[in-house]
Amino acid sequence: DAKTTQPTSMDCAEGRAANLPCNHSTISGNEYVYWYRQIHSQGPQYIIHGLKNNETNEMASLIITEDRKSSTLILPHATLRDTAVYYCIVRGGNNDMRFGAGTRLTVKP
Amino acid sequence: GAVVSQHPSRVICKSGTSVKIECRSLDFQATTMFWYRQFPKQSLMLMATSNEGSKATYEQGVEKDKFLINHASLTLSTLTVTSAHPEDSSFYICSASNNQLNYGYTFGSGTRLTVV
Repeated sequence: DAKTTQPTSMDCAEGRAANLPCNHSTISGNEYVYWYRQIHSQGPQYIIHGLKNNETNEMASLIITEDRKSSTLILPHATLRDTAVYYCIVRGGNNDMRFGAGTRLTVKP
Repeated sequence: GAVVSQHPSRVICKSGTSVKIECRSLDFQATTMFWYRQFPKQSLMLMATSNEGSKATYEQGVEKDKFLINHASLTLSTLTVTSAHPEDSSFYICSASNNQLNYGYTFGSGTRLTVV
C-alpha cells in the first residue's frame, strides 16, 4: 500500500473550514484514498473516500489532485465536536487498511 | 449503514487468564475482518487479517499463539488474548469489510483491555 504523509497537528477556529492535507505520492492507479477520524477512545469513523474525482458527502469534501499524489479533506464548517485525529489511508488490492500517524485537529472556540 | 458491534467495551482481567473479544457485523456479510491494537497516543496497528473459514494472517511481530483469531462465520470474528500480561493492556479494535474496494471498512467501537 502507498504510504501517506500528514501534518502532525492542526488548529481550526470554530465555524471556519478545516483543510487537512495528505500526501500519497506513490499511490497506484487502482488505489483509493480513504479518510477516517478517531475521537478519543472510540473506533475510527468513516468520513469519505475517492479514486480520482472530487467527492462530497454530508460530512466533508475530498479534493484529489489531478496526478493523485495528494488530497485534501475539507470540513466546511468545523465544530468543537470535529476535534479528533484524522487519518488519510490509501487502500489497494491487498485489501488491508494501515494507519499512519494521522493529523490531530483541534477546533477552537 | 454498515454496523460493526464489538463486545465487551471494557474488560479487566488478571494476569495469566484469557480474554475473548467479539466482533460482529450486524447488517452485512464480512468476508474479511481485521484486528488492530492501539496504545495510548499512538496510531492503530494492524495485528491480523482474518477471512471467513480460513486461518488468520498475522502481521510480523504478532504472536499467533497468544492472539487467537477465529472467523467462523460471515458475521462474527473473535480475538482471544491468551495468558494475558500487563503489557497486553491496550485498546483493541476490529473492522469488517465485504471486500469491495469502493466500500469502506466499518470499525467497531473498541475494547479497552486492562490486565492487572
